[in-house]
Amino acid sequence: EAQVTQNPRYLITVTGKKLTVTCSQNMNHEYMSWYRQDPGLGLRQIYYSMNVEVTDKGDVPEGYKVSRKEKRNFPLILESPSPNQTSLYFCASSAHTDTQYFGPGTRLTVL
Amino acid sequence: GQNIDQPTEMTATEGAIVQINCTYQTSGFNGLFWYQQHAGEAPTFLSYNVLDGLEEKGRFSSFLSRSKGYSYLLLKELQMKDSASYLCAVREEGGKLIFGQGTELSVKP
Repeated sequence: EAQVTQNPRYLITVTGKKLTVTCSQNMNHEYMSWYRQDPGLGLRQIYYSMNVEVTDKGDVPEGYKVSRKEKRNFPLILESPSPNQTSLYFCASSAHTDTQYFGPGTRLTVL
Repeated sequence: GQNIDQPTEMTATEGAIVQINCTYQTSGFNGLFWYQQHAGEAPTFLSYNVLDGLEEKGRFSSFLSRSKGYSYLLLKELQMKDSASYLCAVREEGGKLIFGQGTELSVKP
């Protein structure tokens, strides 16, 4: 089944404790992206990747890192999480100009 | 600067037709998407326009005018399950995707 998976789905952590949210797709898509969704602000792009070893900043990259060492995986890294990074995070993938398929979301709470 | 505007909320009656508008100002243009998102779920794709005109897909249609920076999503024969948030998004030429804040549609019996 074609899908985008994210782990974990829910995470509660404390300020400053490094964490990684994994994202994997099995559709051989070149394009992958991370978003955060907050009430009243909609979906905002954090980082995106057009292909392996190519990453670019979206609208809200501060406090986040990504890597794209292989086509199927695009982890999101928070080196030192802060409470303002409490949010709902979505990973998505697509063939270059096609529609994006979204993962199920990761609800992160930083205390 | 970048800006995508859509109404915050709309209400319509079951069986009716509703049009959700989206206007945009972005750095370049490489396609406009409409997504549906039910509460607590991931967005799902509805339509994609890159050329001017109307794209029809069952009960849903989407229109684009690039010269006016304008799109709309038309939903016909509304059903209760169409109650959701509808997101307009523009892909810029470099691959960046900008989303509007979404329109919360409530369908009443």
